[in-house]
Amino acid sequence: DTGVSQNPRHKITKRGQNVTFRCDPISEHNRLYWYRQTLGQGPEFLTYFQNEAQLEKSRLLSDRFSAERPKGSFSTLEIQRTEQGDSAMYLCASSLGGGLAKNIQYFGAGTRLSVL
Amino acid sequence: EDQVTQSPEALRLQEGESSSLNCSYTVSGLRGLFWYRQDPGKGPEFLFTLYSAGEEKEKERLKATITKKESFLHITAPKPEDSATYLCAVGSGYALNFGKGTSLLVTP
Repeated sequence: DTGVSQNPRHKITKRGQNVTFRCDPISEHNRLYWYRQTLGQGPEFLTYFQNEAQLEKSRLLSDRFSAERPKGSFSTLEIQRTEQGDSAMYLCASSLGGGLAKNIQYFGAGTRLSVL
Repeated sequence: EDQVTQSPEALRLQEGESSSLNCSYTVSGLRGLFWYRQDPGKGPEFLFTLYSAGEEKEKERLKATITKKESFLHITAPKPEDSATYLCAVGSGYALNFGKGTSLLVTP
C-alpha cells in the first residue's frame, strides 16, 4: 500500500498528558498537511509543509500544538498538556505540488484521539 | 472569507433512486473545487476536482458539475455501497476549506 500512513490509529490519553502522532506521506509527495475533524464537521486545516518548511499555520494551532517534518519525509504532530476539547480525528494529507492538477490532497485514515 | 455550505445534511434514498447533492461556495480565487467520499472511521477518499464553471467529471454512478457559485454531485441509480458522507471542499491557497458534508444512506 503506497497511500498516506498514520500511526497510531487510536490514542486514549488522560487530560494533561502529551501525545505525538506520526504521518508518512506518499513517497514522491513534497507537500504535507494536517487537519482536525470533529463529529459531524468537515476537516479543518491546521498546518502545511512544503518539504521540511512549515509554510502555513491555522489560528486553530494553539501554542500547545507543534508539528515537524524533518528532512521533508515523515511528519509528527505533538499536542502538549492535552485538554478534553482536543478529542478529535487528526488527519494527514499529502500532495505532489506544482500546478493545480498536481495539488490533489490524498488523506490517510487518521488518528482518533480521545482525552479522558 | 471562504465559505462552503452543503445541502442536504442527510439524504436517504432507495436503491436506484437518483438524486443530487449541493455545494454552494464563495471563495476569493478558486484553486479547485474538490469532492471527497468519507466512510465511518476513515479518512476522506478523493473523488473529483473541478477548476472552472461548466466543467464536468464522471466516475461510475457519480457525476460532478460546477457553476460560478455551486457544484452538484449527481448520483445515478445508487447502490447500498454508495452510502457514505460526501464532502465538498474549495482550495484558495494551500489549505482546503471543507463543508460539513452530506450523509447519504442508500437502502436496498
